[in-house]
Amino acid sequence: AQKVTQAQTEISVVEKEDVTLDCVYETRDTTYYLFWYKQPPSGELVFLIRRNSFDEQNEISGRYSWNFQKSTSSFNFTITASQVVDSAVYFCALSEAQKDSSYKLIFGSGTRLLVRP
Amino acid sequence: EPEVTQTPSHQVTQMGQEVILRCVPISNHLYFYWYRQILGQKVEFLVSFYNNEISEKSEIFDDQFSVERPDGSNFTLKIRSTKLEDSAMYFCASISPAYEQYFGPGTRLTVT
Repeated sequence: AQKVTQAQTEISVVEKEDVTLDCVYETRDTTYYLFWYKQPPSGELVFLIRRNSFDEQNEISGRYSWNFQKSTSSFNFTITASQVVDSAVYFCALSEAQKDSSYKLIFGSGTRLLVRP
Repeated sequence: EPEVTQTPSHQVTQMGQEVILRCVPISNHLYFYWYRQILGQKVEFLVSFYNNEISEKSEIFDDQFSVERPDGSNFTLKIRSTKLEDSAMYFCASISPAYEQYFGPGTRLTVT
């Protein structure tokens, strides 16, 4: 069975601090995708990144970076120099990617990030 | 930039009534989905739709629910007889050729 665990329910930081959001996943599939989404207070789900299971290279996009480690089944997300606008709930998600898969997303329970001025 | 759209943004209905939630996925996407999020909880998969039929559904997606793609652009979720526990945010999503799943803004359903 597939499962995504985000152990941090809430994190509070002061603006300009770096913060890392943890994500641990379980799957028996050898081919899968990992995602991060941002849900701001307005409620929409904003796509941030997709990684496939064959690509363990870390990725950086501006102040955002992602660390994918297959050995520990983790896909952690770091925000550098956090800003108040980063305050949101962040969801990690997993989808299988085998042939005949529906590619449905299994979400973690989310981490609420509060960035204080 | 193309985006997934959903209407209405908020629907209030009485218990036992039928509701139809509407979505327009991104045009070159092939898989479409409905998810729901009960307030304060995680996002849960309901159903996936490919090639004009359901490809997978969750335990939540019981006989009260149905999906349709009545024309080339709309994708609808119908709840036949709403219950109080159906109150949630319902998200439509579609998947790009690069397997990136994009979500609509959601419909907040309130059942009274």
